[in-house]
Amino acid sequence: GAGVSQSPSNKVTEKGKDVELRCDPISGHTALYWYRQRLGQGLEFLIYFQGNSAPDKSGLPSDRFSAERTGESVSTLTIQRTQQEDSAVYLCASSYLSTGGPYNEQFFGPGTRLTVL
Amino acid sequence: AQSVTQLGSHVSVSEGALVLLRCNYSSSVPPYLFWYVQYPNQGLQLLLKYTTGATLVKGINGFEAEFKKSETSFHLTKPSAHMSDAAEYFCAVSGNTGFQKLVFGTGTRLLVSP
Repeated sequence: GAGVSQSPSNKVTEKGKDVELRCDPISGHTALYWYRQRLGQGLEFLIYFQGNSAPDKSGLPSDRFSAERTGESVSTLTIQRTQQEDSAVYLCASSYLSTGGPYNEQFFGPGTRLTVL
Repeated sequence: AQSVTQLGSHVSVSEGALVLLRCNYSSSVPPYLFWYVQYPNQGLQLLLKYTTGATLVKGINGFEAEFKKSETSFHLTKPSAHMSDAAEYFCAVSGNTGFQKLVFGTGTRLLVSP
């Protein structure tokens, strides 16, 4: 079937505005991850969903960042009161249930490029 | 805690030459190790992975990597570069228990000249 999709592909916003980024995982993938890739840096983990719950939110950089997942499918990452340092590519990945044991490959979406002016 | 270091933000090779991209990791638990490739305007694609078993792993497009525990390394190699190999390559590590958050290096851009 289709891969992981993300929307929008590009988002330009003004400092102080709120933005919502959407991720549609591969059907049947219970685990969903958000990562951030800032210019010249590697990908940083933000949050992980197992089903609709988020056991690990440790990567969210501040309380301006939040995420939710409904129906074990779509996830939305919301950034409130955006700052220039939030400019980055936000990547979503999904996999089958991620627990200890055999590795479950994470499949990545194409990302949303966020630019905060 | 885990971390990954990729030496060289850019590596340039000629077509047909050996490709060597370096990755060293730090992990307090037995690691799973990965190489991902990102072509321009495309998402990340898994090249190869080491989880358990054979320490020399082969991936797509002729790439391979060897897990060396004593050196905490997982360098990526390809005997003969092709123009189509030009991309950004990321090394990543995860633990082997619990959920498998990936910790990435900063990436190495491979440039291939004719």
